[in-house]
Amino acid sequence: SQTIHQWPATLVQPVGSPLSLECTVEGTSNPNLYWYRQAAGRGLQLLFYSIGIDQISSEVPQNLSASRPQDRQFILSSKKLLLSDSGFYLCAWTEVSSYNEQFFGPGTRLTVL
Amino acid sequence: GIQVEQSPPDLILQEGANSTLRCNFSDSVNNLQWFHQNPWGQLINLFYIPSGTKQNGRLSATTVATERYSLLYISSSQTTDSGVYFCAVYSGGGADGLTFGKGTHLIIQP
Repeated sequence: SQTIHQWPATLVQPVGSPLSLECTVEGTSNPNLYWYRQAAGRGLQLLFYSIGIDQISSEVPQNLSASRPQDRQFILSSKKLLLSDSGFYLCAWTEVSSYNEQFFGPGTRLTVL
Repeated sequence: GIQVEQSPPDLILQEGANSTLRCNFSDSVNNLQWFHQNPWGQLINLFYIPSGTKQNGRLSATTVATERYSLLYISSSQTTDSGVYFCAVYSGGGADGLTFGKGTHLIIQP
């Protein structure tokens, strides 16, 4: 069966510091991978999606970037965090296409102070 | 892009009551999912239902794609049903991910 992992689970970072959140998927090959952000406990916003290694599409201009160095690894990064980057970050995957059911990881709660 | 509206935004019920949550969307969809977000933030998949009706225990869902809405039914509510319920859709145009509604916050009181 497939599983999705995210770490760290929680993170408190000062403004201006770098960020690296990691997501890995097990039990599947060539998944579509996604990063979403949830602010203020309501509604998720798509940030990035990837259909393959080094193939990243951005949906929202922001202070963040994403990379996919391996088939089942997706990384969310920032060089300098802003207060507005605080939120709950969720990684998700689907098998091959977004037409298929999407599954989410446990999330990382980021607080920028 | 596609718009997703959920109603009601908040719902407070007594244990044992039944409830209906609604999701309206503005365009045709290729994927529609219902999720339950638990108190720890985890999104639990309830239904993958771009059309038709499905049931899983006390929960059932119906999507009428031609009329652009979906309903989630919860029967005999339990306190563990509390949390936020999200509807999310994929329309296949533009963004290649799910578009979420703002959710329905359900509180089941003992």
